[in-house]
Amino acid sequence: GAVVSQHPSWVICKSGTSVKIECRSLDFQATTMFWYRQFPKQSLMLMATSNEGSKATYEQGVEKDKFLINHASLTLSTLTVTSAHPEDSSFYICSAGPGIQYFGAGTRLSVL
Amino acid sequence: QKEVEQNSGPLSVPEGAIASLNCTYSDRGSQSFFWYRQYSGKSPELIMSIYSNGDKEDGRFTAQLNKASQYVSLLIRDSQPSDSATYLCAVRISQGNTPLVFGKGTRLSVIA
Repeated sequence: GAVVSQHPSWVICKSGTSVKIECRSLDFQATTMFWYRQFPKQSLMLMATSNEGSKATYEQGVEKDKFLINHASLTLSTLTVTSAHPEDSSFYICSAGPGIQYFGAGTRLSVL
Repeated sequence: QKEVEQNSGPLSVPEGAIASLNCTYSDRGSQSFFWYRQYSGKSPELIMSIYSNGDKEDGRFTAQLNKASQYVSLLIRDSQPSDSATYLCAVRISQGNTPLVFGKGTRLSVIA
């Protein structure tokens, strides 16, 4: 299947700082990527759809000014959690694919 | 509201038995159906995709789709302890590269 690479896999940061997460499609071009968040023992919740060369589409209840998405190339989308707080601690996962969606390895964010 | 429903489990089966996982969806126009497996602390990995009514087999896994009943299932034959994970049912509501709608997942435990 297609390969989606996500970095970093784990990040710990202080409250108030910003964290950037990268999602790369390694063997295909992705005009669209998806960002999900997963809290412990819960299912994946779609946060936003990242569109290459245009603004991301955010799901209801997701603050676009807090979760900045940039999809500047056909192989890279970034999610920046700005002014992170402990309640932002979660597992963030991106997905992309030519049809079938493949997931990155995920980023576990812990905000102290 | 587009919904995908799964029994949260846990579903416990003895090693070597058949595990049966079920999923129903609310949008009758749904196009594509997927089963993902997620180990604790990891991101989901694709097991099966199915697009038309009937059965689709891949090794020990069989996906079954009944669009009239809005029902999709996953059978795992000869269950192994390594199959113990959470199984996520996902549905693509419309054509094109649109996001998947996930169920909450069924936790499967295969007892040796």
